[in-house]
Amino acid sequence: KQEVTQIPAALSVPEGENLVLNCSFTDSAIYNLQWFRQDPGKGLTSLLLIQSSQREQTSGRLNASLDKSSGRSTLYIAASQPGDSATYLCAVRRDSGNTPLVFGKGTRLSVIA
Amino acid sequence: DAGVIQSPRHEVTEMGQEVTLRCKPISGHDYLFWYRQTMMRGLELLIYFNNNVPIDDSGMPEDRFSAKMPNASFSTLKIQPSEPRDSAVYFCASKLRGGNEKLLFGSGTQLSVL
Repeated sequence: KQEVTQIPAALSVPEGENLVLNCSFTDSAIYNLQWFRQDPGKGLTSLLLIQSSQREQTSGRLNASLDKSSGRSTLYIAASQPGDSATYLCAVRRDSGNTPLVFGKGTRLSVIA
Repeated sequence: DAGVIQSPRHEVTEMGQEVTLRCKPISGHDYLFWYRQTMMRGLELLIYFNNNVPIDDSGMPEDRFSAKMPNASFSTLKIQPSEPRDSAVYFCASKLRGGNEKLLFGSGTQLSVL
């Protein structure tokens, strides 16, 4: 059974710092991996999707990498801002396309001005 | 498109009452998922549908939970009778066919069972 772990559970950084959020998964046979952002009391917003054949994806100040063989992904946030404060979740899809995502519990990020 | 629409946003009810959560997926999406989120367990899949047909309901906690999708634009999740341990945020999400299509979430229903 696929398990997704995100460490640390919470992180606090000063504004302007570059930071890395970690995600690991137990079964490397994944189809893709998706990073989400969740603001308090809100739903999840998709940030980046990395296909199993890709190594990384970039969107603005965000860069997500994938090392499928080691079961790891990282989300890099450059020049963090207070508006980046949120919970970040990663999720993986099993190697059969349209199966449901399995989620980690997330990392709660606080960027202090 | 307005995105995935869930109602109500908040529901407070007493133990033993029936609760019905509603979801309107994005038009044209083939897949619909119901997830439940708690602090302890994170996001858990309850059930998902493909073209209105339930595919996997193994995540439904027990017989008190049921879900339907009578047409492509509407789904319900019903809890009868509700219990305090059902208190959680319930999310509906939808996606297009294709493994690399992104999953898009509604804003969720915050359920409190007293």
